[in-house]
Amino acid sequence: QVQLQQSGTELVKPASSVKISCKASGYTFTSNYMHWIRQQPGNGLEWIGWIYPGNGNTKYNQKFDGKATLTADKSSSTAYMQLSSLTSEDSAVYFCARRMSMGITPYAPFDYWGQGVMVTVSS
Amino acid sequence: DVQMTQSLSYLAASPGESVSISCKASKSISNYLAWYQQKPGEAYKLLIYSGSTLQSGTPSRFSGSGSGTDFTLTIRSLEPEDFGLYYCQQYYEKPLTFGSGTKLEIK
Repeated sequence: QVQLQQSGTELVKPASSVKISCKASGYTFTSNYMHWIRQQPGNGLEWIGWIYPGNGNTKYNQKFDGKATLTADKSSSTAYMQLSSLTSEDSAVYFCARRMSMGITPYAPFDYWGQGVMVTVSS
Repeated sequence: DVQMTQSLSYLAASPGESVSISCKASKSISNYLAWYQQKPGEAYKLLIYSGSTLQSGTPSRFSGSGSGTDFTLTIRSLEPEDFGLYYCQQYYEKPLTFGSGTKLEIK
């Protein structure tokens, strides 16, 4: 069965960076888009961007350009998101989610989600 | 960006009742609309996509309707396990956007 296992809680200092992971199993990792979504405390969900692990192509929500960098390691079926220049505003839960197989568009519903990684930015 | 508005942030109902959760898009998104359920300690679950198509495993008491700008998620004959947060999402265009969520509490 499809599983997306995300890395653990992170407590990081302002101005630093953090890299969180999402290990996929149960499907062909390189053949589907992986998306990332942010949920700030008490707030709704924000789409960050996607990566296509098959060729490394990425697309970002303009809001997260320069903040988030998406990569993928085909050998371990793991997607990564690095967040840089962290501020308290980046404290949130970050999810990876697999795009549902629905044609060739990267934009489709998310049929599997990771459990989320809580990132807390604090000195 | 397409703004998705869920006007009801909280809803309480009793088992056996039916509830409807609305979602409004700031522009027409055709039927590129999904509904998700979030329960504490669990991963987000896709319930409905394309406005009205049930995802595999979604109980038939769930239904979705609407197109264009106005959408509705209906749960008929509520079960206790239906409590949780419900979000709509448009995937018509980038950036993908979500509604602010509706918390369903079972009385």
